[in-house]
Amino acid sequence: NAGVTQTPKFQVLKTGQSMTLQCAQDMNHEYMSWYRQDPGMGLRLIHYSVGAGITDQGEVPNGYNVSRSTTEDFPLRLLSAAPSQTSVYFCASRSFNREHGYTFGSGTRLTVV
Amino acid sequence: GENVEQHPSTLSVQEGDSAVIKCTYSDSASNYFPWYKQELGKRPQLIIDIRSNVGEKKDQRIAVTLNKTAKHFSLHITETQPEDSAVYFCAASMDNYQLIWGAGTKLIIKP
Repeated sequence: NAGVTQTPKFQVLKTGQSMTLQCAQDMNHEYMSWYRQDPGMGLRLIHYSVGAGITDQGEVPNGYNVSRSTTEDFPLRLLSAAPSQTSVYFCASRSFNREHGYTFGSGTRLTVV
Repeated sequence: GENVEQHPSTLSVQEGDSAVIKCTYSDSASNYFPWYKQELGKRPQLIIDIRSNVGEKKDQRIAVTLNKTAKHFSLHITETQPEDSAVYFCAASMDNYQLIWGAGTKLIIKP
């Protein structure tokens, strides 16, 4: 049981490049979400999903796309990277039975130059 | 919508002393209140949570109390140790899957 797996752990992009951050969970959690965390700051919700085929915007969705074709995977796409997207990105999942809180992935540290 | 305020933003305590972090929420419909600990460079991890039908919950040196009337909940850490140094986040949820997060408290344990 690996929990929530994020790849890559580190990434440097040039302005304008696109890339996909991967997130996979093996706990059969229905709910998955992406957060960004800037230095010394809290967690801001980018996008979330309550099940396969269902996604919705969070607090800071601009510049990011998501899809949820399976229960396990929830990739985050940066369409045209900007320096303002330099951040640490966390994927988190949760079960509908709500007995437990979120399980977070280990994070992706992204730098846009 | 729901709003969660967390205080203080930084808390420095002597090793062995107790630490208390407080959060207030705005929507009385919130019914789930978790606390997460984030060590430097690591992911947030759930340390304790409480539901609105319970007033207090303990797990060894940590406890959470909930006052529904006043709409606030607190994290209590007793006999603090160096490994308690971290950023602590509170959150609230209205029985859906979205957590509304506090801004975080940096806890510093002085030797």
